[in-house]
Amino acid sequence: DGGITQSPKYLFRKEGQNVTLSCEQNLNHDAMYWYRQDPGQGLRLIYYSQIVNDFQKGDIAEGYSVSREKKESFPLTVTSAQKNPTAFYLCASSIGPNQPQHFGDGTRLSIL
Amino acid sequence: KNEVEQSPQNLTAQEGEFITINCSYSVGISALHWLQQHPGGGIVSLFMLSSGKKKHGRLIATINIQEKHSSLHITASHPRDSAVYICAVGSPGGGADGLTFGKGTHLIIQP
Repeated sequence: DGGITQSPKYLFRKEGQNVTLSCEQNLNHDAMYWYRQDPGQGLRLIYYSQIVNDFQKGDIAEGYSVSREKKESFPLTVTSAQKNPTAFYLCASSIGPNQPQHFGDGTRLSIL
Repeated sequence: KNEVEQSPQNLTAQEGEFITINCSYSVGISALHWLQQHPGGGIVSLFMLSSGKKKHGRLIATINIQEKHSSLHITASHPRDSAVYICAVGSPGGGADGLTFGKGTHLIIQP
């Protein structure tokens, strides 16, 4: 079955460490997105990519970095510059802009 | 930047009741999405609409572009409908830059 796989489901990070969240899709979608969800808030866009080797900052990109070297993969790195990284991170993909988005099951990141 | 407001924030109802969740937004959009998030966190896309009405099983979504308002209805509600329902909108330029989300409506259907 086609879908989006995020790993790991739970992730713990020590202060000052970078950590990378994985997002893989086998839907042959061009567009991929990373969102952050905090309690009591709506999802917020971190980065998005409409095509391989191209990506754009979203509303809250500071402290994060991404790459899009393959169509199937859009990993997100949470750097030590992100002051409040504890959150639930969701990856999504779509055939293109303005199309329904398919979401992964999310990764919950906590700081030790 | 679009502002997306949902109401109510929380809703508890009895099994079988007709449920309505509302969403309003501040500026023009390319499309509106209704999403469902279960306790584990995974999100499923329910509807994408830019005009009129769509129906899928017991779920109905409507949108009024002039009033910048959408509603999600659930008929004959069931405990398995318990979830967070999220409204999201795409930007007028075509939504290439992702969606803007409401804070969600937490729905509990009691047996």
